[in-house]
Amino acid sequence: EVQLVQSGAEVKKPGDSLKISCQGSPYRLTNYWIAWVRQMPGKGLEWMGIIYPGDSDTRYSPSFQGQVTISVDKATTTAYLQWSSLKASDTAMYYCARPVVPDAFDAFDVWGQGTMVIVSS
Amino acid sequence: DLQLTQSPSSLSASVGDRVTITCRANEDIRSYLAWYQQRPGKAPKLLIYAASTLHSGVPSRFSGSGSGTDFTLTISSLQREDVATYYCQRHDRDPLTFGGGTQVVIK
Repeated sequence: EVQLVQSGAEVKKPGDSLKISCQGSPYRLTNYWIAWVRQMPGKGLEWMGIIYPGDSDTRYSPSFQGQVTISVDKATTTAYLQWSSLKASDTAMYYCARPVVPDAFDAFDVWGQGTMVIVSS
Repeated sequence: DLQLTQSPSSLSASVGDRVTITCRANEDIRSYLAWYQQRPGKAPKLLIYAASTLHSGVPSRFSGSGSGTDFTLTISSLQREDVATYYCQRHDRDPLTFGGGTQVVIK
């Protein structure tokens, strides 16, 4: 069974940096775009951005451009979402997701379990 | 930028009822629309893509229709396990915008 396995919950202070991860199992991420989706407490899904591990082509939602960095390590088949300076408003559940077909944008049929990020002083 | 507007934002229906959720786009997205179900505390689950293609393993009481700017998700006979929030999403090009969601509860 194809899975996306995300790193564990994080509790951070405002101003801290953070990098969370998403690893494909058992398949390699190389041929599938990997997206990141935010869900703030009690709110809806927000598409943040997407990366193609084959060549690191990355697209961001205008709402998240400059606020986060999406990256990938092809050697370990791991995608990352990182912040250089967290804010309380970054408190949310973050999901990674993979589309139905390789090498193209498509609906997301495989989702990670989510990583809860809490930012509080 | 594309906006996807779902209606209603919430609904209450009885077990066995037919339930319809709509998603309206402010530009033509042809048939590049997906529907997801998110049960409380769980990751979203793909139900339908390409507006009307039922994803593998999804019960046949779920169906999707529409093209262009107006889309519909229908649950033909609501079951207790369908209590969830439902989201639409364009899936052809970035930004891969989601709709605001429709919460479905049992009356």
